[in-house]
Order: sequence, then C-alpha cells, then structure tokens
Amino acid sequence: NAGVTQTPKFRILKIGQSMTLQCAQDMNHNYMYWYRQDPGMGLKLIYYSVGAGITDKGEVPNGYNVSRSTTEDFPLRLELAAPSQTSVYFCASAGGSYEQYFGPGTRLTVT
Amino acid sequence: AQSVTQLGSHVSVSEGALVLLRCNYSSSVPPYLFWYVQYPNQGLQLLLKYTTGATLVKGINGFEAEFKKSETSFHLTKPSAHMSDAAEYFCAVSDVSGATNKLIFGTGTLLAVQP
Repeated sequence: NAGVTQTPKFRILKIGQSMTLQCAQDMNHNYMYWYRQDPGMGLKLIYYSVGAGITDKGEVPNGYNVSRSTTEDFPLRLELAAPSQTSVYFCASAGGSYEQYFGPGTRLTVT
Repeated sequence: AQSVTQLGSHVSVSEGALVLLRCNYSSSVPPYLFWYVQYPNQGLQLLLKYTTGATLVKGINGFEAEFKKSETSFHLTKPSAHMSDAAEYFCAVSDVSGATNKLIFGTGTLLAVQP
C-alpha cells in the first residue's frame, strides 16, 4: 500500500495564480481531510469529506475549494493565490476509528 | 466542544533523560486520544492512541502515555531520550460533534535533544 500520496512536493506560485494540490489514498477510507500547517500554529482544518460526493468546510476554508468524485481522490483547489496561503498542506484519510493517516505534505510559497 | 492544550511549545532534554510532554484535553464525552510525531519535512505519524480499556498505552519508539480522566490529561513519556526523538509532537482528541471522524489537534511541542 502506498498509503496517502500528495503531489507536488513543492510549488511556487505568483499572486493571483491558481493550482490544484492532489491527494490520493489506497486504503479505501471514507474520510479525507485537508490541513494547513503554519509555524507554531499546529494544524488547521481546511475542508473534509465523509465519502465520495460529500464535502464540508473546516475552520479555514476561504480561498480554497475541494471535490470528491471518487473514494480515492480528494484534490484541493486554490483560486487566486494570495501570500497568506503560503503554508505546508497535508492531506489525511481515516477509516472508522478516528485514526488519521497523513501524506508527506506539499510546501507552497506564494510570492 | 472539545479542545486540546499542549503545555510548552518547546521542550529541551539531554540525551538519556526522561521525556515528558504534556497534553490536557476538554471533552464532554469519553474521548479517543492520540499522539502524533512529525519529523522535519515529513507528514505526521501516529505514535500511540487511547480508545478504551487500559489507560496506560504503549506506542512506537519506546513512548507511552497514560489517560487520566480525573486530570483530563494524556501526557507522553519516554524514560530515556535519544537524539532521533528530536521532532514535533502533536496531541489530538476525537471530535464527537458529528459523524466526521475529525480530530482536534494541539499546537504542538517541539522536542530538542541535547547530546
């Protein structure tokens, strides 16, 4: 099993550009999550999904969008990138037991 | 609402010394509790978890944690620190407000191990 995979590992965006962060899991988990991590701030939940076709906002959804067309994939879309979106982004998935499995992260810089 | 407080954003210990990372939680129902470790430039990895049953939980790399309901605590310990333990540690509590399997994370404790 590859677990949770994320692409790209690194990305530099200019202000106003858009991009999609990819996330995939091969554990047949229903639950998937997107977090951002900023120094000293812990993890902030951006969006989550409880199954294919179902998504909902987390704590910090502004400036982001998600979709969940399959159980495996949960891409995160950034529209009109802003410097405040410079962060490390983590995708995670979970089965029925609250235990979350994390991807390796995407380091995004917006300049 | 559930919440997690990690006391001490930075902890420094000498190699071979006891590691103690503190975590207190707030929950209206019996929680599930987790410790995750994050090594530099990596994702989070599960160290250990408490769900039900025995309150002393053993995890990977010699770490353990004890669930103390009366103190609403879930402190992480390791008897003897190793240089490879230097990392950031996150405590998390299950969010039982909906059927979402969400976790609520603390802000993390960065552990430094001095030679």
